[in-house]
Amino acid sequence: EVQLLESGGGLVQPGGSLRLSCSASGFTFSSYAMTWVRQAPGKGLEWVSAISGDGFWIYYADSVKGRFTISRDNSKNTLNLQMSNLRAEDTAVYYCAKNFATGYAYYEYWGRGTLVTVSS
Amino acid sequence: EIVLTQSPGTLSLSPGERATLSCRTSQSVNSDYLAWYQQKPGQAPRLLLYGASNRATGIPDRFSGSGSGTDFTLTISRLEPEDFAVYYCQHYTTSTVTFGGGTKVEIK
Repeated sequence: EVQLLESGGGLVQPGGSLRLSCSASGFTFSSYAMTWVRQAPGKGLEWVSAISGDGFWIYYADSVKGRFTISRDNSKNTLNLQMSNLRAEDTAVYYCAKNFATGYAYYEYWGRGTLVTVSS
Repeated sequence: EIVLTQSPGTLSLSPGERATLSCRTSQSVNSDYLAWYQQKPGQAPRLLLYGASNRATGIPDRFSGSGSGTDFTLTISRLEPEDFAVYYCQHYTTSTVTFGGGTKVEIK
């Protein structure tokens, strides 16, 4: 059974940093691209970043480019999102999601999400 | 950047009725890269359809999708109580993913 479990969320001040992690199990982690999607309170879904299975290809939304860094540790089946220079508008539930297959960026499996609140 | 516009914003219907949700893209897209999700409060999104019309694993056949070019539709043939939720369309390219703003299907 595929399982994704995010951690690392919390309250952080504007300008601060936070590192999110997503622990994956139930599939061959290194074979799948992984993605972070966020959802601000009461708002819609926003794609944040994606990384290929081997970590070679990395993509970011313009809204986080230069501030967020996605990475993965295939030896530990873990996906990470290092967030820096955080802004109030980064407040959201952050979901990790498993890409359906190589070249197919839709998401059949999602974690339950971790809440990031950026506030003074 | 391709923009996805969903309409209506809210759809008020009764159980047993048919729901028709629209997703329009700002430019023509390959339907292979168009998906639909359902999200209930406090839950992660659930993949319903991919490739515009292919049901994901375990999705009932009352959910169907159609469309091409810039106009796509999600149809729920007969609403069940568990179908009242928010629905999102999604498009992806090699380097980016875009979601529509969502349509809320609420009980009338």
